Amino acid sequence: GEDVEQSLFLSVREGDSSVINCTYTDSSSTYLYWYKQEPGAGLQLLTYIFSNMDMKQDQRLTVLLNKKDKHLSLRIADTQTGDSAIYFCAERRGYNTDKLIFGTGTRLQVFP
Amino acid sequence: NAGVTQTPKFRVLKTGQSMTLLCAQDMNHEYMYWYRQDPGMGLRLIHYSVGEGTTAKGEVPDGYNVSRLKKQNFLLGLESAAPSQTSVYFCASSYNRGGAGNTIYFGEGSWLTVV
Repeated sequence: GEDVEQSLFLSVREGDSSVINCTYTDSSSTYLYWYKQEPGAGLQLLTYIFSNMDMKQDQRLTVLLNKKDKHLSLRIADTQTGDSAIYFCAERRGYNTDKLIFGTGTRLQVFP
Repeated sequence: NAGVTQTPKFRVLKTGQSMTLLCAQDMNHEYMYWYRQDPGMGLRLIHYSVGEGTTAKGEVPDGYNVSRLKKQNFLLGLESAAPSQTSVYFCASSYNRGGAGNTIYFGEGSWLTVV
């Protein structure tokens, strides 16, 4: 995860929006992903974006991609306590690979 | 609805002992992976397999061996455990190579402590 970086913690109030940021360094990224990990569980794919897109919306989730700055963000609208988890961004480099490079993870804490 | 199943879920080993983690998937996936997760490091790929009978090294393969004798199973072995191998291990699988829709499914993790 050394080439994909995230801030470690984010704390938000229930009902507010959360924005989780991710930066990466490799310009050959083709797809970028957001995974959610709840305590004691594996990783669950939330959403992904193709590298030639700059935005993707999926219900409460909005992904923004700034390819020039190599910056990816995940916005969660109307954050709920059930959204408390660790969020990982991951990049796929190239097309002929299934290997993902994961970020360090951001722990989102939602308080009432 | 089993998906990806890992055993054991928890294990404590003494330095120098050996053990095998078993991963099983029931989705007929070609690709299988073993990752380790350490605090502040994200997930790092240990080994992976692109089909029955094949294995390949990932980012951090040293100290581990793998085997894929059956398509549905991917075994991760530690021949001589070291404290640096204390980690959470995740198995994952996917249908095939390429494409954004090629979702990678993860198991629930195996917590390994080496003392």
